[in-house]
Amino acid sequence: QVQLQQSGPGLVKPSQTLSLTCVISGDTVSSNSAAWNWIRQSPSRGFEWLGRTYYRSTWNFDYAVSVKSRITIVPDTSKNQFSLYLNSVTPEDTAVYYCARDPPGDQTFYPWGPGTLVTVSS
Amino acid sequence: DVVMTQSPLSLPVTLGQPASISCRSSQSLIHSDGNTYLTWFQQRPGQSPRRLIYKVSNRDSGVPDRFSGSGSGTDFTLTISRVEAEDVGVYYCMQGTHWPMYTFGQGTKLEIK
Repeated sequence: QVQLQQSGPGLVKPSQTLSLTCVISGDTVSSNSAAWNWIRQSPSRGFEWLGRTYYRSTWNFDYAVSVKSRITIVPDTSKNQFSLYLNSVTPEDTAVYYCARDPPGDQTFYPWGPGTLVTVSS
Repeated sequence: DVVMTQSPLSLPVTLGQPASISCRSSQSLIHSDGNTYLTWFQQRPGQSPRRLIYKVSNRDSGVPDRFSGSGSGTDFTLTISRVEAEDVGVYYCMQGTHWPMYTFGQGTKLEIK
């Protein structure tokens, strides 16, 4: 049974970098059939997929156009985790951030992490 | 991006009665591989989303059989045959056909009358 656990600060100052980590149990970040995603939810924008990483002989990354210039997802095989970095944040980046697995062949999210509320404020 | 439109946005239901939620996509969700990647999630207050249905009609393990999904192309429906108190929450549809730009509906809030 795959489980995801998130960690990271809940408060980030404007213009700084938001960083969150998702630790995986029950699967590996270097799985050659799953993908590992970051998604956020806010009252104003609903759910917004941010990006993903997956390993298929080499590491691959896809990012949403809306954040492409500011986002980096970094896998760490030694700790079986993946991290989100979002730079130059503004109050509009305030949201609950979730990590989620895309199971093989499903094109969906299952399971989700517990979520982290990140507030961007000085 | 593919726009997902749900209706209604608010759904008051009497316990034991059926409920249906509609989800329409701005483009066909039939993938070139023949699959239709339409998912339904339930989000209870204060919780992360829980997947109920994937690929239109496949129910996840542990999901009560009163939940069912149907539809094709651009029109999809989540049906609850007899609503129970634990079904209160917000329901979302999501498309994964036009990945990696996954997109979600606005959500339908189910409450007990």
